[in-house]
Amino acid sequence: KQEVTQIPAALSVPEGENLVLNCSFTDSAIYNLQWFRQDPGKGLTSLLLIQSSQREQTSGRLNASLDKSSGRSTLYIAASQPGDSATYLCAVLPPQGGSEKLVFGKGTKLTVNP
Amino acid sequence: ETGVTQTPRHLVMGMTNKKSLKCEQHLGHNAMYWYKQSAKKPLELMFVYNFKEQTENNSVPSRFSPECPNSSHLFLHLHTLQPEDSALYLCASSQDRAGRNTIYFGEGSWLTVV
Repeated sequence: KQEVTQIPAALSVPEGENLVLNCSFTDSAIYNLQWFRQDPGKGLTSLLLIQSSQREQTSGRLNASLDKSSGRSTLYIAASQPGDSATYLCAVLPPQGGSEKLVFGKGTKLTVNP
Repeated sequence: ETGVTQTPRHLVMGMTNKKSLKCEQHLGHNAMYWYKQSAKKPLELMFVYNFKEQTENNSVPSRFSPECPNSSHLFLHLHTLQPEDSALYLCASSQDRAGRNTIYFGEGSWLTVV
């Protein structure tokens, strides 16, 4: 059974710092991996999606990498801002099943201090 | 604004009450989902509807009853809930299941059972 782990559960950094969030998964057989952002009391917003054949994806100050063989992904945030404060969730989609079969981690709660 | 709207945003109900959560998507999607997010737990898939047909019930207790009258609307009817059912209930949609496309989430309905 696929399990997704995100460490640390919480992270606090000063504004301007570059940071890395970690995600690991137990079964390397995945279709894709997604990073989501969740603001307090709100829904999830998709940030980046990496197909299993890709190594990384970039969007603005965000860069996500995927190492399928080791079961790891990282989300790199450059020049962090207070507006980046949120919970970041990693999810993997298994090879079989529909779009909804995402397996989520518990998330990393990021606080960027002004 | 993701195109998926949930109402109400907050709901407090007693264990003997009957209430409903509503979800509407304006994206022209054919698949809709209910997820449950409890504190300190990963997101849990509850129900899947594809082209208005329920294709999955993820071992959800019968006190939760979904309804999908058309591809744009999804309801979750609640009755005789327990305090442990208090959680954030997230609705989501995607173009369809088979395409394994990105899922778009609503902002959620916070449910408190007293």
